[in-house]
Amino acid sequence: DIQMTQSPSTLPAAVGDRVTITCRASRRIGVYLAWYQHKPGKAPEVLISEASTLATGVPSRFSGSGSGTDFTLTISSLQPDDFATYYCQQYEDYSYTFGQGTRLEI
Amino acid sequence: QLHLQESGPGLLKPSETLSLTCTVSGGSIISTSHFWGWARQLPGKGLEWITTVFHSGSTYYNPSLKSRLSVSVDTAKNQFSVNLTSVTAADTALYHCVTHGREAYNGGYRPAYFDLWGQGILVTVSS
Repeated sequence: DIQMTQSPSTLPAAVGDRVTITCRASRRIGVYLAWYQHKPGKAPEVLISEASTLATGVPSRFSGSGSGTDFTLTISSLQPDDFATYYCQQYEDYSYTFGQGTRLEI
Repeated sequence: QLHLQESGPGLLKPSETLSLTCTVSGGSIISTSHFWGWARQLPGKGLEWITTVFHSGSTYYNPSLKSRLSVSVDTAKNQFSVNLTSVTAADTALYHCVTHGREAYNGGYRPAYFDLWGQGILVTVSS
């Protein structure tokens, strides 16, 4: 299986901050990477697919970049609604493995 | 708009079989636009993909769970289901049904990222 290593596990931040979360794959996955947002009691939602393609309805303050093994999710100016847990996921092979998650907290 | 709703038992004993069903509304399960899957969130741990099925019967299984898994589609009821046999406490989790986006592959399509998730159903395995 492809292992996904996400960091940091917890990220203290404030409204208006620019934050970056990183995700590293154990082998090259091209751009087969997605990012999800998960809030307690709600279904996770896809933010980004193909490493940098914003899902429909996702605000433009979210952006993704990277290819191969190293990827980043950036939120340009944190809003109160953005405090959640974020996961990366590879879909290059049929294990669909996730990173451990990054909890964005105030 | 597509909506997914999980149903099934919330509590099982070790060695029993977990059977979960996902009801699809707002769209047809025989759509060629979607693959249908299951994922789970283990307590204190991350997310894990379990299995995926296409309405034609093509199936994909997490290798670590494959020996205990089966997945199926009921086109008449617009539902898909998963069975996980011989459950243990390690199978305690929040189980989500999901749809996959698809991508072109070898003249057809293969399941890609998860483009929609159900809210999830908590399953506890305890004696």
